[in-house]
Amino acid sequence: DAKTTQPNSMESNEEEPVHLPCNHSTISGTDYIHWYRQLPSQGPEYVIHGLTSNVNNRMASLAIAEDRKSSTLILHRATLRDAAVYYCILNYGGSQGNLIFGKGTKLSVKP
Amino acid sequence: GAGVSQTPSNKVTEKGKYVELRCDPISGHTALYWYRQSLGQGPEFLIYFQGTGAADDSGLPNDRFFAVRPEGSVSTLKIQRTERGDSAVYLCASSFGRTSYNEQFFGPGTRLTVL
Repeated sequence: DAKTTQPNSMESNEEEPVHLPCNHSTISGTDYIHWYRQLPSQGPEYVIHGLTSNVNNRMASLAIAEDRKSSTLILHRATLRDAAVYYCILNYGGSQGNLIFGKGTKLSVKP
Repeated sequence: GAGVSQTPSNKVTEKGKYVELRCDPISGHTALYWYRQSLGQGPEFLIYFQGTGAADDSGLPNDRFFAVRPEGSVSTLKIQRTERGDSAVYLCASSFGRTSYNEQFFGPGTRLTVL
């Protein structure tokens, strides 16, 4: 499975935008880029996913580099509730969908 | 609607005992996954069901671990002769389809402690 590289931790101030980077230089053409987050003492929660084009939903935006070797999850206005571990995951398009999690980025949000 | 539920939320057992962990997926979801999460790590895939059959059990660490889903809905993860190293949070997830772009919905997990 293709690997991803994320910073171990990041800090943000409340109500400011947050850009969470992810490198995936070995991505293949059929790999989808997924982001999940895990709040303390909860199971992971789906955030967003994409293949080639940038994606937006009510939770976040996903910006995918033109060569697809990196992507950025954008939280437009961080809230205290956004403090979580964010996982960037590649999922082969022909697979059955089991997710391969790394250690993710722990995001802290300061009031 | 109701999300994925897991019972019990916490389970403490002694080394060598047998435990069963239950997962109730979202109604209508055909795919069901079990993961295990150790402290400070991301979740680790254990087994995947499509309907009643285990389509991929390659993540099960050894033959002490077994899972069933007899009617294509509720699933039970069974661990025999538990060891201290089995202590972790066991997560269950379900999704509507079997493809890699289907969103997975996770339950809150069962925290297993083996003394």
